[in-house]
Amino acid sequence: KAGVTQTPRYLIKTRGQQVTLSCSPISGHRSVSWYQQTPGQGLQFLFEYFSETQRNKGNFPGRFSGRQFSNSRSEMNVSTLELGDSALYLCASSPPPSGVSYEQYFGPGTRLTVT
Amino acid sequence: GQNIDQPTEMTATEGAIVQINCTYQTSGFNGLFWYQQHAGEAPTFLSYNVLDGLEEKGRFSSFLSRSKGYSYLLLKELQMKDSASYLCAVVLSGAGSYQLTFGKGTKLSVIP
Repeated sequence: KAGVTQTPRYLIKTRGQQVTLSCSPISGHRSVSWYQQTPGQGLQFLFEYFSETQRNKGNFPGRFSGRQFSNSRSEMNVSTLELGDSALYLCASSPPPSGVSYEQYFGPGTRLTVT
Repeated sequence: GQNIDQPTEMTATEGAIVQINCTYQTSGFNGLFWYQQHAGEAPTFLSYNVLDGLEEKGRFSSFLSRSKGYSYLLLKELQMKDSASYLCAVVLSGAGSYQLTFGKGTKLSVIP
């Protein structure tokens, strides 16, 4: 089974621009979560989507948004980029709950650099 | 607010045993994960605890005490390839909804 894939892997943008990142979950996984990872703050939860609906949202400004398509693929968008948005953006997909398991499988991430 | 604490860095010798602690204070708890992350790579699953006690998986074991808000990851027979960051994460939401809150990670360096 193919793992979680994210595109692009690397991206360089300028302040004020916007960016769209893509995530394809493992086949059969309907939940997709997004995280931002920076050296200072570690991994921080952005949002989670399930069946095209946002179920959970972290404490990020409205410039960060996402969506999920009917095939479970997900995109996240960051508008009006700031230098502080430079980070590794990780996507994780989860299988349907099995017992009490909430395991998440992470993709390789998109490294975004804002200049 | 949510608070998850773990040491920033640890160093241990090849072949030894190391224990990485994690304490948490969160509103809601539906289990605790440990992930391993090598530099420049995605986190990979190590263990999941939802009930008190010790879960053993090969060289890795994880312990949870819900009443104390405490967990640890135990790595035995350390190998050089175990040099990585170890992330503790609490599952906040239930009913099949996923939201993990992570600690900032513990960078483990294994030396010869």
